[in-house]
Amino acid sequence: DVKVTQSSRYLVKRTGEKVFLECVQDMDHENMFWYRQDPGLGLRLIYFSYDVKMKEKGDIPEGYSVSREKKERFSLILESASTNQTSMYLCASSQAGENYGYTFGSGTRLTVV
Amino acid sequence: RKEVEQDPGPFNVPEGATVAFNCTYSNSASQSFFWYRQDCRKEPKLLMSVYSSGNEDGRFTAQLNRASQYISLLIRDSKLSDSATYLCVVGYSSASKIIFGSGTRLSIRP
Repeated sequence: DVKVTQSSRYLVKRTGEKVFLECVQDMDHENMFWYRQDPGLGLRLIYFSYDVKMKEKGDIPEGYSVSREKKERFSLILESASTNQTSMYLCASSQAGENYGYTFGSGTRLTVV
Repeated sequence: RKEVEQDPGPFNVPEGATVAFNCTYSNSASQSFFWYRQDCRKEPKLLMSVYSSGNEDGRFTAQLNRASQYISLLIRDSKLSDSATYLCVVGYSSASKIIFGSGTRLSIRP
């Protein structure tokens, strides 16, 4: 089974802090994604990557950046955390090509105070 | 209009009942279709892909109607453990264009 591991399950950070969320997958998947999930808004795509060093903006990239230095690792960075970034963050990976579903990590619940 | 729309529910049905959800999508270029299940405070997990000819996995049946642009999920003989949120997912040729519906909440009562 594909395993997608997110480094933290719960995180509490202060406003203005720089926050790093790490995601690692162990099945050599080309595609990796970061979503946030909020009640009533569903899953929203922040950034994604098709390959090492490659990144593309999703629907809500403002206030975020990403890094993919190695194929298995995709990091989400909150440059200066704000309270409206309090959310559940989900990382996912998939094989290249269509018709492949995503495998999600267990999520990081981030609270910015 | 949302690209993928689902009735949010909640659907509250007795154990053993048959329940069906529909999901409509707006882009006729959609090429891949999935149902995901998400338990409370957990990550979404792939339940099943949806193929043009329809497909079945145990008590679960998925159907695709390209002409009317909807997919459906039928759960027969529902169990208490089926209580969850079911997410409809529609994909395009590019992996980036995978769109999640907001989910339908299902609650099975004893």
